[in-house]
Amino acid sequence: AQKVTQAQTEISVVEKEDVTLDCVYETRDTTYYLFWYKQPPSGELVFLIRRNSFDEQNEISGRYSWNFQKSTSSFNFTITASQVVDSAVYFCALSEGPGGYNKLIFGAGTRLAVHP
Amino acid sequence: IAGITQAPTSQILAAGRRMTLRCTQDMRHNAMYWYRQDLGLGLRLIHYSNTAGTTGKGEVPDGYSVSRANTDDFPLTLASAVPSQTSVYFCASKKTGEDNEQFFGPGTRLTVL
Repeated sequence: AQKVTQAQTEISVVEKEDVTLDCVYETRDTTYYLFWYKQPPSGELVFLIRRNSFDEQNEISGRYSWNFQKSTSSFNFTITASQVVDSAVYFCALSEGPGGYNKLIFGAGTRLAVHP
Repeated sequence: IAGITQAPTSQILAAGRRMTLRCTQDMRHNAMYWYRQDLGLGLRLIHYSNTAGTTGKGEVPDGYSVSRANTDDFPLTLASAVPSQTSVYFCASKKTGEDNEQFFGPGTRLTVL
């Protein structure tokens, strides 16, 4: 069965600290897609990144970076020099590959609080 | 309209009442989805539609129905609301292609008393 686990329910950091949000997934598919979404206090869901199962290159976008490791079935998200505006709930999600209807399987989310 | 709109923004409903949550997108996406978000559970798929005229059940479909008469609209109906359906409901859409991301509407907060 497909599953996404975000073991960290809540993380609290002080501004400028680095923080890593963990995501571990389970799937039997050989082709799959991984996503991170951000849900700020306003409630909308904002797409951050997608990664397919054949591309294990890490990615960096400004202060955000993602580490995808198939060997450990993990897709961790690091925020460098965190800012108060990073306070949000972050969701990791998994999508099926060919033949599926591309539903997203979400983790329970990690609430990040960045304090001044 | 730009993106996905949902209506109403919030609603308080008496148990046993019928309710339809509306979702409209203007991006001409083929696929549309309904999720519910509950604390500690993330988002769970209720129903989906790969294209106009077709629908399918997700992870938690009981008590909900959907229709997809055209590309743009994907309403979600609660035939007889129960308190366990109190949740935040998100509609999403996606362009054809396995690796494309889903775009989400702003959500509808529903309280069933």
